[in-house]
Amino acid sequence: KNEVEQSPQNLTAQEGEFITINCSYSVGISALHWLQQHPGGGIVSLFMLSSGKKKHGRLIATINIQEKHSSLHITASHPRDSAVYICAVHSTGNQFYFGTGTSLTVIP
Amino acid sequence: DVKVTQSSRYLVKRTGEKVFLECVQDMDHENMFWYRQDPGLGLRLIYFSYDVKMKEKGDIPEGYSVSREKKERFSLILESASTNQTSMYLCASSPTGLAGSKNIQYFGAGTRLSVL
Repeated sequence: KNEVEQSPQNLTAQEGEFITINCSYSVGISALHWLQQHPGGGIVSLFMLSSGKKKHGRLIATINIQEKHSSLHITASHPRDSAVYICAVHSTGNQFYFGTGTSLTVIP
Repeated sequence: DVKVTQSSRYLVKRTGEKVFLECVQDMDHENMFWYRQDPGLGLRLIYFSYDVKMKEKGDIPEGYSVSREKKERFSLILESASTNQTSMYLCASSPTGLAGSKNIQYFGAGTRLSVL
């Protein structure tokens, strides 16, 4: 069993749609990261969360520590948002665990 | 801006060759990491280092070694490349010690290695 599970694995949306990607984890964590990987491989860190909610532009990330669950939301999605989104946790045991990613395609 | 630079974007090697993947970061980070990424498996940690000349095995160290002679450079070595090491390799660095709880990892662009 993976310590980090993401859903859905693949997501196709029309431009302008509101998108939600979910992440559940099974370990105690000190922080949770949302990463974006563009075609070609480069990875960008979007958010680091240990509680509550963070917002950056059209991106919103929330975390519920009690439920061991986080969501990444994209409002007014755009084709340039097409990428793989990866959830990662830094466990209290000083390990990093990664989800397998959600591949998002936004169609114009 | 933090910059993590991997020496090659694409690399093609033959089975049995010794392969060096280089990673350099310019922000004086203590921690550096090597991952491989494969379809359906996500990112898996190969080795990490939290100081010069220090290294720790990750989840899948077999077939790999690392070198950290200088703080800014972390090298991944495939002593004798095999076809099952064909993968995307990603290097990352982070600024605080492992005991810290607020580690953001900064990633390089990746090296896509093909072993024929």
